Amino acid sequence: GIQVEQSPPDLILQEGANSTLRCNFSDSVNNLQWFHQNPWGQLINLFYIPSGTKQNGRLSATTVATERYSLLYISSSQTTDSGVYFCAASRYSGGSNYKLTFGKGTLLTVNP
Amino acid sequence: DAGVTQSPTHLIKTRGQQVTLRCSPKSGHDTVSWYQQALGQGPQFIFQYYEEEERQRGNFPDRFSGHQFPNYSSELNVNALLLGDSALYLCASSRSSYGYTFGSGTRLTVV
Repeated sequence: GIQVEQSPPDLILQEGANSTLRCNFSDSVNNLQWFHQNPWGQLINLFYIPSGTKQNGRLSATTVATERYSLLYISSSQTTDSGVYFCAASRYSGGSNYKLTFGKGTLLTVNP
Repeated sequence: DAGVTQSPTHLIKTRGQQVTLRCSPKSGHDTVSWYQQALGQGPQFIFQYYEEEERQRGNFPDRFSGHQFPNYSSELNVNALLLGDSALYLCASSRSSYGYTFGSGTRLTVV
């Protein structure tokens, strides 16, 4: 199955700083998503981005499918951005293999 | 537009007992997947239900079973609970396996 690797595992920032989180995946994908897990455990969907670039406010993401990586950019970070960021991917093919495989996550801490 | 709803939010069970967790998918979604997330780890795929049938299963023992109802809602059942089953259980819904939306999860503690 697909392997998903995220880096860095931990990141500490001062409020207002920018950051880039990286996700590498081992095979071509039909689905790639970035999630933010809040302190209560809910996975908040940030982007559905199997290819291309998307932006939503201070967050943006780029997936280069041919090179099998995705980047999540956080600009002007705020303390509320703290939490774990997960990248997850799936490769649906021939009526099988629907599961979403998660990386181990990046723990982001934004200090005031 | 309600998202994915899970119940209960927290649960404490004793080893050997059985537990049932429930999930209502987001409106318009027809596929439900269940994930187990241990502390400090990423979610692990348990199984996925589509058209009331288990479509794919992860590496979990037969003690884990599920069901999908005609209204697309789903249940996860775990029999003969072990201490190691303590985790956050997440339900995700989608339309045709693209763009998953997750619920807030059920935190299960086995004592």
